[in-house]
Amino acid sequence: QLQLQESGPGLVKPSETLSLTCTVSGGSISSSSYYWGWIRQPPGKGLEWIGYISYSGSTYYNPSLKSRVTISVDTSKNQLSLRLNSVTAADTAVYYCARFCSGVTCSSASDAFDIWGQGTVVTVSS
Amino acid sequence: DIQMTQSPSSVSASVGDRVTITCRASQGISSWLVWYQQKPGKAPKLLIYAASSLQRGVPSRFSGSGSGTDFTLTISSLQPEDFATYYCQQANSFPFTFGPGTKVDIK
Repeated sequence: QLQLQESGPGLVKPSETLSLTCTVSGGSISSSSYYWGWIRQPPGKGLEWIGYISYSGSTYYNPSLKSRVTISVDTSKNQLSLRLNSVTAADTAVYYCARFCSGVTCSSASDAFDIWGQGTVVTVSS
Repeated sequence: DIQMTQSPSSVSASVGDRVTITCRASQGISSWLVWYQQKPGKAPKLLIYAASSLQRGVPSRFSGSGSGTDFTLTISSLQPEDFATYYCQQANSFPFTFGPGTKVDIK
């Protein structure tokens, strides 16, 4: 059973860099057809797609965050990472990692985030 | 960006009621529409993908329909565990965008 688990600092100072890791267990992050993404949810608000990375390493970012965000994978550790630079209070949110499958070879849902981590709370404050 | 709207923003219903939630895209997205359920303090859970395909393990009382710009999520007979917030999301083009959510609570 594939599981995702986010980890990282719960408190980040304004103007600094937010760094989170998502550890994938029960399956390989290198599996073809899969993308690995980050979605965030500010307190009491809706969901915002940050971006995702393909199994081949191609990245796709939300233009609203593109200048500040980097998503990468470490296949040796089966981990996904998020870096968000120059954070402000507006970046305070629960951050989720999630799996996305695209294409006819998907064994489960296609073109949807089908497996999510439990989320990690990040507060930006001095 | 494609804007997603949902109506109503909240609905009060009783166990056994039929509940319908509408999602509208600002431009046509074919059938690239996903529905999620989220309970307080939990991650979203995938219910429906490709507008009408039920995710494995999701009860059949959930169903989705629509294409183009107008979509519907229907819960045929509301159960106690269905009280939650429901989000739609378009997967037609980048950036993926979500609707603002519809909260289903107990009447």
